[in-house]
Amino acid sequence: DVKVTQSSRYLVKRTGEKVFLECVQDMDHENMFWYRQDPGLGLRLIYFSYDVKMKEKGDIPEGYSVSREKKERFSLILESASTNQTSMYLCASTISEAGELFFGEGSRLTVL
Amino acid sequence: QKEVEQNSGPLSVPEGAIASLNCTYSDRVSQSFFWYRQYSGKSPELIMSIYSNGDKEDGRFTAQLNKASQYVSLLIRDSQPSDSATYLCAVNPGTGRRALTFGSGTRLQVQP
Repeated sequence: DVKVTQSSRYLVKRTGEKVFLECVQDMDHENMFWYRQDPGLGLRLIYFSYDVKMKEKGDIPEGYSVSREKKERFSLILESASTNQTSMYLCASTISEAGELFFGEGSRLTVL
Repeated sequence: QKEVEQNSGPLSVPEGAIASLNCTYSDRVSQSFFWYRQYSGKSPELIMSIYSNGDKEDGRFTAQLNKASQYVSLLIRDSQPSDSATYLCAVNPGTGRRALTFGSGTRLQVQP
């Protein structure tokens, strides 16, 4: 079974802190994604990566950056957390662009 | 206009009835379509994918795709209380963008 693991299920941070959300997949997938999910807004794409060291902006990249140094790991970075970044963050991976997305369990971030 | 639109619900059906969930999309060249189920507090899981016009059946689930009218639907037969969840429609645009676009989801409630 594909496993996508997000390092932290729940985080509480203060405004201005730097936040790292880590995601690791074990199926050698090329493509990895970070979404955020908010009530009434569904899943919105922040960034995605289709290869090591490659990244593309999604719909809402502002305030975020990403890092993909190894194929299995895709990190989301909030350089200076703000309260409007309080959300559920979902990492996903897929073997092909048109294929099934496999999601991690999510990281619920609260910024105070 | 949102790229992928769903009625937020809740859609309430009695146990044993057919639940019908609908989704429309704006990008005419979209190639692949997915339905994900998300239980409260959990991450989305794939239940159906469909790539060509017509119906695709898998157990109690049937996905229907009409590319000319730009809609995709999900029918759940013999609905069970365990089907109560939010159902997310996702579309792969097929050109340019390499990531799924999600609708905001329809909440389904199956009444015992």
